[in-house]
Amino acid sequence: DVKVTQSSRYLVKRTGEKVFLECVQDMDHENMFWYRQDPGLGLRLIYFSYDVKMKEKGDIPEGYSVSREKKERFSLILESASTNQTSMYLCASSRLEAFFGQGTRLTVV
Amino acid sequence: AQSVTQPDIHITVSEGASLELRCNYSYGATPYLFWYVQSPGQGLQLLLKYFSGDTLVQGIKGFEAEFKRSQSSFNLRKPSVHWSDAAEYFCAVNYGQNFVFGPGTRLSVLP
Repeated sequence: DVKVTQSSRYLVKRTGEKVFLECVQDMDHENMFWYRQDPGLGLRLIYFSYDVKMKEKGDIPEGYSVSREKKERFSLILESASTNQTSMYLCASSRLEAFFGQGTRLTVV
Repeated sequence: AQSVTQPDIHITVSEGASLELRCNYSYGATPYLFWYVQSPGQGLQLLLKYFSGDTLVQGIKGFEAEFKRSQSSFNLRKPSVHWSDAAEYFCAVNYGQNFVFGPGTRLSVLP
């Protein structure tokens, strides 16, 4: 059974903290994605990666960075968390269709 | 630019009634097409996909979708809705390496 695993279901962080969201896939997919999902705004692409050490900005990359040191792992980094980054974060991997993790609900206080 | 529209933000149906969720896309070529379902607080689960061939595709949980090239549509259908189908549904298009998602349709089911 295919699997995309996000390290946390729920996170609460303080403003200004550096936050790491981890995502691991076991399907040997080249492509991996980070989205954030907010009510009324749908899924918005933050960053994606189509190979190890490669990354591309999505629609809303400001305030985020990513790391892909190994094929199976794609990390999203909030350099200095702010309250407007409170959201649901979804990781996905794909070859042709996308498979999603269970999501991380991040609250920045 | 590529786009996906789902005209209905929220649909309410009675349990046992039929369902059709609409999806239209804007893309030069025939893309790969998908429907996903999301239960509250969860990630997205793939319901079905269209790559090529037969334009009527079957998915999980009794769902099907029909690709109509002339209308740039990929509507999702289910003949008889169950209370457990209450969720949010997203249509998506794959172009190249990336995806575009529609805004979603929230489905409520009345007992």
